[in-house]
Formats: sequence, structure tokens, C-alpha cells
Amino acid sequence: DTGVSQNPRHKITKRGQNVTFRCDPISEHNRLYWYRQTLGQGPEFLTYFQNEAQLEKSRLLSDRFSAERPKGSFSTLEIQRTEQGDSAMYLCASSHDVIVQHEQFFGPGTRLTVL
Amino acid sequence: GEDVEQSLFLSVREGDSSVINCTYTDSSSTYLYWYKQEPGAGLQLLTYIFSNMDMKQDQRLTVLLNKKDKHLSLRIADTQTGDSAIYFCAERSGGYNKLIFGAGTRLAVHP
Repeated sequence: DTGVSQNPRHKITKRGQNVTFRCDPISEHNRLYWYRQTLGQGPEFLTYFQNEAQLEKSRLLSDRFSAERPKGSFSTLEIQRTEQGDSAMYLCASSHDVIVQHEQFFGPGTRLTVL
Repeated sequence: GEDVEQSLFLSVREGDSSVINCTYTDSSSTYLYWYKQEPGAGLQLLTYIFSNMDMKQDQRLTVLLNKKDKHLSLRIADTQTGDSAIYFCAERSGGYNKLIFGAGTRLAVHP
């Protein structure tokens, strides 16, 4: 399968714990996006990488959130000191900056539940 | 600011046409999209339209764009039970192509 993959698919944690999610984009896609989707809502943009550079961050991305893409391939999203309000589906998407550059392909998401 | 609005629910009979509507606010949006989300699955890009077009047809799907009113619609012809899902309208915003999504329209297809 050559689509966007995300791990884990589900994560249950207790309030105050740290969690980390991983996204593997489509090979050769140099743009990578993180979105968050809460129940009954559409996805909301969190952050964007072009290769390894993080070029845009939403105001939704508080200081407890950090995202990295160290080698310009896979990306990680870490949430520190989780809160119940962090419970959501975290979606990753990737695109190419030249070939049909506007199309974003989404992964299946990581569902986070904070107890 | 950027905002995308959709009606939340649509129910149609199998074989009829479905029309899902969306309004957006960013007049500088160059591309507008329709995504489909089935239970437990990720977002699937259905179709998109460039802002200088009025209409785009792709098999059973027809997208209409009224730039003056900032109104986008998706028509699904001969709707099938497999079309039951949540449909999201999205606009591309800003230099880094982030997507701004609506809250989604849940389409229910009944026999």
C-alpha cells in the first residue's frame, strides 16, 4: 500500500500523560499537513511542513503540541500533558509541490481518547 | 475570516439525485474541494474545481460553482446506498495550501 499511513490507529491515555503519533506520507511527497477532527466537525488545520521545515502553525497548536519532520519524510506529532479536550481524530495528509500540487491525500487518522 | 458552511444532513431515496450545498467566505480561494468520509475511514478526495470554472462533471458527480455568491454544490446522480457518508466541502487557503473544511453533510440513502 503506497498511501499515507498513521500509527497508532487508536490511543487511549490518561490526562497528564504524553502521547506521540507518527505519519508516513506518500513516497516523494514533500508537503505534509496535520489536521485535527473532533466529533461532528470537519478537520481543522494544525501545521504544515515543506520537506523538514515547519512553515505554518495554527493558533490551535498550543505550547503542549510539537510536530517534527526531521528528515523530510515521516513526521511525528507529540502532545504533552494531555487534556480531555485533546480527544479527537488526528489526521495527516501529504501532497507534492509540483505534481498536482494542490491535491492532499489523507491517512486513516489516529483516534486519541484522553480519560 | 475563513469560514465554510454546509447543511448538516440530507436524506434521499436510492436512485434519486442528491445535491449538497456549501458556502465559503474566502474570495481568493483558487481551488474548492469535495471530500467523502465513510465510518472508520479517512478522507477521500472526490473531486475539485478551479475557481475560474463554473461547472465540472465527473461521471455521476457534478460540481457547480457560483463565485459571485461564494456558493458551491455537489450533485450526485443516481444516488446509491454506497454513497451514504459524510461529505465535506473545503477551500484552499493561503500560500501553503492548507484546507479549510466545513462541518460536513451527512448523506443518508434509503431504499
